[in-house]
Amino acid sequence: GAVVSQHPSRVICKSGTSVKIECRSLDFQATTMFWYRQFPKQSLMLMATSNEGSKATYEQGVEKDKFLINHASLTLSTLTVTSAHPEDSSFYICSARKTGSQETQYFGPGTRLLVL
Amino acid sequence: QKEVEQDPGPLSVPEGAIVSLNCTYSNSAFQYFMWYRQYSRKGPELLMYTYSSGNKEDGRFTAQVDKSSKYISLFIRDSQPSDSATYLCAMSGGVYGGSNYKLTFGKGTLLTVNP
Repeated sequence: GAVVSQHPSRVICKSGTSVKIECRSLDFQATTMFWYRQFPKQSLMLMATSNEGSKATYEQGVEKDKFLINHASLTLSTLTVTSAHPEDSSFYICSARKTGSQETQYFGPGTRLLVL
Repeated sequence: QKEVEQDPGPLSVPEGAIVSLNCTYSNSAFQYFMWYRQYSRKGPELLMYTYSSGNKEDGRFTAQVDKSSKYISLFIRDSQPSDSATYLCAMSGGVYGGSNYKLTFGKGTLLTVNP
């Protein structure tokens, strides 16, 4: 199998606080993980590529100081939304690529963030 | 022109129908082609994965890739109400295609299968 989990599945926070989202590959090692954002009825927007043991690569227009990514092990990547504001409310989804495999990415179930 | 074009639908079919979904693309470096199914408020689920041109079958699902036409398709036979979801095509050039494993997605097609 290729199971990816995310925690929490839903989070509500106050404006100005920080929120951490975890992404874990449960039954495989993932050198590379990806973080996406999805707005209602829209496709996935890649935010950043996370490589184990190195700095994340952010897509153009994504603030790296606002969306902190840490990929400390081959099975865990975290996304921290710092000083969250209502416009950061969205559906955040991670994916993981099996180490040594080809192109397939396996996605987590997503985290719904609501900033009040 | 966008890199990947996908008709967003919505597409509504009766139960048991054959469904045809497709995407066109412009980047000739794409080598890996995937179809994902996404239910509302859930993460995408990998349905089919194909490398280069050809056909691949898995149960009721068949994926076709025609690189000469830059056209990929997903066919669903004997469609079921449980197939109602958004279907996303995705593709990548791999690390050698300069994409560093990043996927380029279509916008997704919303499918409803009516009982």
